[in-house]
Amino acid sequence: GENVEQHPSTLSVQEGDSAVIKCTYSDSASNYFPWYKQELGKGPQLIIDIRSNVGEKKDQRIAVTLNKTAKHFSLHITETQPEDSAVYFCAARSNDYKLSFGAGTTVTVRA
Amino acid sequence: DVKVTQSSRYLVKRTGEKVFLECVQDMDHENMFWYRQDPGLGLRLIYFSYDVKMKEKGDIPEGYSVSREKKERFSLILESASTNQTSMYLCASRPGTGWDEQYFGPGTRLTVT
Repeated sequence: GENVEQHPSTLSVQEGDSAVIKCTYSDSASNYFPWYKQELGKGPQLIIDIRSNVGEKKDQRIAVTLNKTAKHFSLHITETQPEDSAVYFCAARSNDYKLSFGAGTTVTVRA
Repeated sequence: DVKVTQSSRYLVKRTGEKVFLECVQDMDHENMFWYRQDPGLGLRLIYFSYDVKMKEKGDIPEGYSVSREKKERFSLILESASTNQTSMYLCASRPGTGWDEQYFGPGTRLTVT
């Protein structure tokens, strides 16, 4: 099955700086890569996703890049704000039903 | 707005008890999922269902069963709870196959003593 690895496990950044989270996947058939944000006491919520026919996608301060050859994808958050503090999960989907998730990254934005 | 609700936010049960976790979605989604979330392990799929009365094992089905009698409701059952099933349980739903977003409930934190 698909195996997704995520790094780092924790990330502390100064407000206004950028944050980068990296994930690798094992199944070359994976074709959909969402990123979820989980705030304290809540379920994960989709923040951005990318499909395998696209190399990069941006939505305001967040962007995701995908390198299919190397089988890795990354989340970039620019101009971080305190409300960006949360746990972030990457995921990969290689069939119609199952998402395989990374272990998560706890991001802390220092004021 | 899609809403996925879970019957309890916190639950404390004793070893050996039968435990039911309920999940309801209000958007007529075909697919529903149960995950458990543990620190350092991310979200691991327990079971999923792509239609009423249909179920498929995920990555960690041992010790769990599920029931989907109605489209909007997906139940996770721990036949005989054990302490290693202490965890956060997340339910999710998705409209259909393809690229659709998966929506999560708020989670149930289960403690088995």
